[in-house]
This record gives sequence, structure tokens and C-alpha cells, in this order.
Amino acid sequence: GAVVSQHPSRVICKSGTSVKIECRSLDFQATTMFWYRQFPKQSLMLMATSNEGSKATYEQGVEKDKFLINHASLTLSTLTVTSAHPEDSSFYICSASVNNQPQHFGDGTRLSIL
Amino acid sequence: LAKTTQPISMDSYEGQEVNITCSHNNIATNDYITWYQQFPSQGPRFIIQGYKTKVTNEVASLFIPADRKSSTLSLPRVSLSDTAVYYCLVGSNQAGTALIFGKGTTLSVSS
Repeated sequence: GAVVSQHPSRVICKSGTSVKIECRSLDFQATTMFWYRQFPKQSLMLMATSNEGSKATYEQGVEKDKFLINHASLTLSTLTVTSAHPEDSSFYICSASVNNQPQHFGDGTRLSIL
Repeated sequence: LAKTTQPISMDSYEGQEVNITCSHNNIATNDYITWYQQFPSQGPRFIIQGYKTKVTNEVASLFIPADRKSSTLSLPRVSLSDTAVYYCLVGSNQAGTALIFGKGTTLSVSS
């Protein structure tokens, strides 16, 4: 079945640092991937849709200059949190799907900004 | 806005059958109904998907009435390890279709 891998699983860094999170589709090609953010005790919130070879589409209220998305190949999308601050601390999750199959999610990245 | 409504929480005991109902009054013709399970600090894990009537796999059953405005996830003989948040989502199976999550149902299983 479709497998989505996310790396790193956890990152702790200082305020002002930029952090890159990778999302890979391991056994299928994904022209579209999705990035979600989840705060404690809350549901997943869609941040953006990552499109291979073109610009990402961001949900209302998500700063595109803050959360840079690159989808340079059919198996890799990256989310870079630029100049991260403590309020950016969250659980970031990616997902991808193949036509006519349910979406599969990565195991998430726990980002902690000190 | 989420397209689905579920109970916020449910409690059960080991060995019991648990049924979680989801309301999706505005489901579209090409929407599927998909249930995911999420443990703390993990990504959602696919449980089951259906379009109409009944679907069963090795872990759950999904019941969908003819009008498709609701669905029920049935977990037979739950164990402590089934304690998790369960999300019901509706959406197309076309690659590129984002899923919008509701609040989910927190299931707590006790011994």
C-alpha cells in the first residue's frame, strides 16, 4: 500500500532558526501533497496544498513567506518554517494520495522552538 | 468548515463493540467516506473507506445508509490499544483533493 514518510520526526531549535521538514512518497508518485498542522488537543488543520512543479496553494491565514513549500519531484515535498518562533511549535503532518485510493499520512514532525 | 459531525468523546470497556456515528448531510455524489485513527504524536492511520451500504475489513466495519447522510464505524471487541481519536472524513478519491478534518471522536477504552 501507499506509504508516506516524514523526516525528521522531532526537531528542537532556537528561536529565529529555519527548519526544513521532508515528506516523501515511498512507493508511488504524488503530484499533490498536503501539509497540516496540529496543536495539542486539536484536530488537524490544512495549511497548504503542495503541487509538483508549481507554486503551493495556501489556506487562508497561513503565511506563504513563513512556511515555504517546495515540491521539486513527484516523490518529495518540503516544508520550511522560516525564522521560527515559539508560536510555530506544533505537530506538522503531510499526506499524499494516488487516484482512487484514500490518502495516506506521514507520522508527523514535532517541532519545538525554544 | 468541516463537512462532518461526530460525538466529541466515547467511553467503552475492553471486549465491547463500539459504534461511532458520523453525520455528513451535505455529502456530494462523488464523495467517499473515510475513517482514520490517530494516536498521540502520530499521523492519522487509515481504517476503512466506503461509498455506500456496508464495508468490512479485518479491523472494522462501516455502515452507510442509502441516503449517505451519515455513517457508522463499528469496532468489534475493542481493546485498550484502541484508545485513540477517530476521524470521519468525506471527500473525493481524486488525487489532489484535500481532506478537511473535523474535531474527531476521542474513544477511551478501559479495562
